[in-house]
Amino acid sequence: DGGITQSPKYLFRKEGQNVTLSCEQNLNHDAMYWYRQDPGQGLRLIYYSQIVNDFQKGDIAEGYSVSREKKESFPLTVTSAQKNPTAFYLCASRGRGDYSNQPQHFGDGTRLSIL
Amino acid sequence: AQKVTQAQTEISVVEKEDVTLDCVYETRDTTYYLFWYKQPPSGELVFLIRRNSFDEQNEISGRYSWNFQKSTSSFNFTITASQVVDSAVYFCALSEGGTNAGKSTFGDGTTLTVKP
Repeated sequence: DGGITQSPKYLFRKEGQNVTLSCEQNLNHDAMYWYRQDPGQGLRLIYYSQIVNDFQKGDIAEGYSVSREKKESFPLTVTSAQKNPTAFYLCASRGRGDYSNQPQHFGDGTRLSIL
Repeated sequence: AQKVTQAQTEISVVEKEDVTLDCVYETRDTTYYLFWYKQPPSGELVFLIRRNSFDEQNEISGRYSWNFQKSTSSFNFTITASQVVDSAVYFCALSEGGTNAGKSTFGDGTTLTVKP
């Protein structure tokens, strides 16, 4: 079945450590997104990419980095500069052409905690 | 800038009651798209419905119905005869066309609890 796979499901970060969250899709979607969700809050956009080798900052990009070397993959690195990384991270993708009218498809999420 | 407001943080109902989730949006675009998603305890968001700004026809799908009113910038979602399985967090989202075509804005979500 086509879909989005996020791994790992749970991740623990030590102080000063960078960690990378994986996101892979086999939907042949052009656009991919990373969101952060804190308890009781909505989704906040971290980064998004509409095409390979290009990406844009979202509303809360500080302390995060991404790459888009392949259409199927959009990994997110949480750097040591992100002082409050504990959250639920969701990856999403959306189709082709004008994405505005297309729903996003979401992965199961990665829950990141500080050790 | 676009904004989505879901004023109801939490709603609790007893099974078989009807419940309406409110969504109010702000945008300067004349072309935009509205979505509702459901997030069950497992965490994955599931798409429920989409509406275009130029299509105010309301829709009923089984126990679900949606009321889109441009005059009040609202896109409300009603569940009739609620069931325990409807318990989840529901998000309203707005996508604009044009240069912001890649971005969506989500509301803070409404947590619905349906008690048996």
